[in-house]
Amino acid sequence: EVQLVESGGGLVQPGGSLRLSCAASGFTFSSYSVNWVRQAPGKGLEWVSYISSSSSTIYYADSVKGRFTISRDNAKNSLYLQMNSLRDEDTAVYYCARAQVGAWLALDYWGQGTPVTVSS
Amino acid sequence: QSVLTQPPSASGTPGQRVTISCSGSSSNIGIYTVNWYQQLPGTAPILLIYTNNQRPSGVPDRFSGSKSGTSASLAISGLQSEDEADYYCAAWDGSLNGYVFGTGTKVSVL
Repeated sequence: EVQLVESGGGLVQPGGSLRLSCAASGFTFSSYSVNWVRQAPGKGLEWVSYISSSSSTIYYADSVKGRFTISRDNAKNSLYLQMNSLRDEDTAVYYCARAQVGAWLALDYWGQGTPVTVSS
Repeated sequence: QSVLTQPPSASGTPGQRVTISCSGSSSNIGIYTVNWYQQLPGTAPILLIYTNNQRPSGVPDRFSGSKSGTSASLAISGLQSEDEADYYCAAWDGSLNGYVFGTGTKVSVL
């Protein structure tokens, strides 16, 4: 069974940092690209970042470029999101999501999400 | 402000057909495929339609997708109470170099 389990969320002050993790199981993690998607309270979905299977290609949303860093460790079946210079508007539930092979950015499996609250 | 525009709400009675539109531009829907996601209250989204009109295994054939020019549509035929959810379209945007979600449509079953 494919599983994605996020962790690392919590309360952080504006300007602070947080590192999210996503543990993958039930599939060959190294063969899939993965993404971070967030959802602010009561708002819609917002794509945050993409990393290819080999980490050779990375994309970021303009809203997080220069502040967030996506990375992965295929040996540990894990995805990460290092978030620096956090702002109030980064408050959201953060999901990791796998991209289906052969269908550009069709996110076929999602984790349950980890909440991040940026507040003083 | 999303670059993909959806109506904020749609509704129908059980058994009816409901259609949700997704309006984009030449830099996203016009040249890239569209995916649709369903998000039930309090849960993570699930992939409903990919590559414009393909259904993942397990998705009922009541759900169908289409694309024409810079717009796409999701149709739900034979509406059921369990279809009450938020629906999002999504596509890559070549100008933004990023994946964009639509504004979302809340479907209510009357």
